Amino acid sequence: ETGVTQTPRHLVMGMTNKKSLKCEQHLGHNAMYWYKQSAKKPLELMFVYNFKEQTENNSVPSRFSPECPNSSHLFLHLHTLQPEDSALYLCASSQELAGAPTDTQYFGPGTRLTVL
Amino acid sequence: AQSVTQLGSHVSVSEGALVLLRCNYSSSVPPYLFWYVQYPNQGLQLLLKYTSAATLVKGINGFEAEFKKSETSFHLTKPSAHMSDAAEYFCAVSGTDKLIFGTGTRLQVFP
Repeated sequence: ETGVTQTPRHLVMGMTNKKSLKCEQHLGHNAMYWYKQSAKKPLELMFVYNFKEQTENNSVPSRFSPECPNSSHLFLHLHTLQPEDSALYLCASSQELAGAPTDTQYFGPGTRLTVL
Repeated sequence: AQSVTQLGSHVSVSEGALVLLRCNYSSSVPPYLFWYVQYPNQGLQLLLKYTSAATLVKGINGFEAEFKKSETSFHLTKPSAHMSDAAEYFCAVSGTDKLIFGTGTRLQVFP
């Protein structure tokens, strides 16, 4: 595997389910990110990890819970979601610590989440 | 605070025609600017970035963008569109501690 991978690619869940999204980066990067992409809205940054330490949480509801066990893996645990949480969830990584202004972020293909 | 505005949510061109995707920025400090592309069912991929070295930035796949401070613009161009350029394009500015993205422009290329 190369780059940033995400599993599953598609997920359908009910409002009472618990599920997890997984992201893995094979680039040796130091920062990882979760974004939410909804139609007709800018990408929303949800969480940021530098060296597996969370540095940002942009007022994300507690029904989304991130976990970063090491610098290569990032999870997003989901529980009791709402239909408006349906979106494409993108993971990204960057070589420099988050906040380095010129650094490039590398994105995974995303998980298309549908909440029924 | 930094922000970007992409003018036109949809742009359609014929194959071989000029591609022009518009991006205007707002920044209280010298900005760092990016263009990313998202092909169907894929994540975002960096096309090019402006980091204050040269105002005309060349990227991948024949795209380039020019930083114009007087117009607060960073428009993306390609002289001749190809069918494979059909995708969504995002302009972004580097904020205090994160990237701030525009709402995207979907490019359609007709044969």
